[in-house]
Amino acid sequence: DVVLTQTPVSLSVTLGDQASISCRSSQSLEYSDGYTYLEWYLQKPGQSPQLLIYGVSNRFSGVPDRFIGSGSGTDFTLKISRVEPEDLGVYYCFQATHDPYTFGAGTKLELK
Amino acid sequence: QVQLQQSGAELVKPGSSVKMSCKASGYTFTSYYIYWIKQRPGQGLEWIGRIGPGSGDTNYNEKFKGKATFTVDKSSSTAYMQLSSLTPEDTAVYYCAVGFRYWGQGVMVTVSS
Repeated sequence: DVVLTQTPVSLSVTLGDQASISCRSSQSLEYSDGYTYLEWYLQKPGQSPQLLIYGVSNRFSGVPDRFIGSGSGTDFTLKISRVEPEDLGVYYCFQATHDPYTFGAGTKLELK
Repeated sequence: QVQLQQSGAELVKPGSSVKMSCKASGYTFTSYYIYWIKQRPGQGLEWIGRIGPGSGDTNYNEKFKGKATFTVDKSSSTAYMQLSSLTPEDTAVYYCAVGFRYWGQGVMVTVSS
């Protein structure tokens, strides 16, 4: 199975700061069709996960432009500029290139 | 708007089975895969598998073969997942999602004697 390694495990920030989360894959996530099925989710406390980014860098409907996804191959990053209170929770990267689909272990974003 | 309404929490005994539902609305049910995801208390997310409501085609994570069974009822736009031979390790919240874009609220399954 593809292993997605997220770092850091937790991230303490001040509101208005930038936050950066890394997701490294044990295999390339570029599919044979040229698409990279790497997504980012945010799970707020007591809620279902919500899609933020799909296809490495595409923001889902309604996601603010302070969320920026980047990367290729095996290395991916989610940057959140100007962290706001509603951004707090656990972030997961996810790959749907290889079966079985797998999630990273999560990065908890919390206030300093 | 797309909505997935899941059934209520379950308390079940070890060795038994449970069947949960995921009722879809706001889109053409047969056009998109329904995915099922497991989240143990305080833990991360695991992909269980998927079903194509139009064809009934299923794809299971090898880890959940024999544990989970997916079905659909097209007449009511509802997807189901049955979990069998339950153990305490099956205690978790189970989510359904359509295309991973829209998620249900989750079903808490507690396996305890």
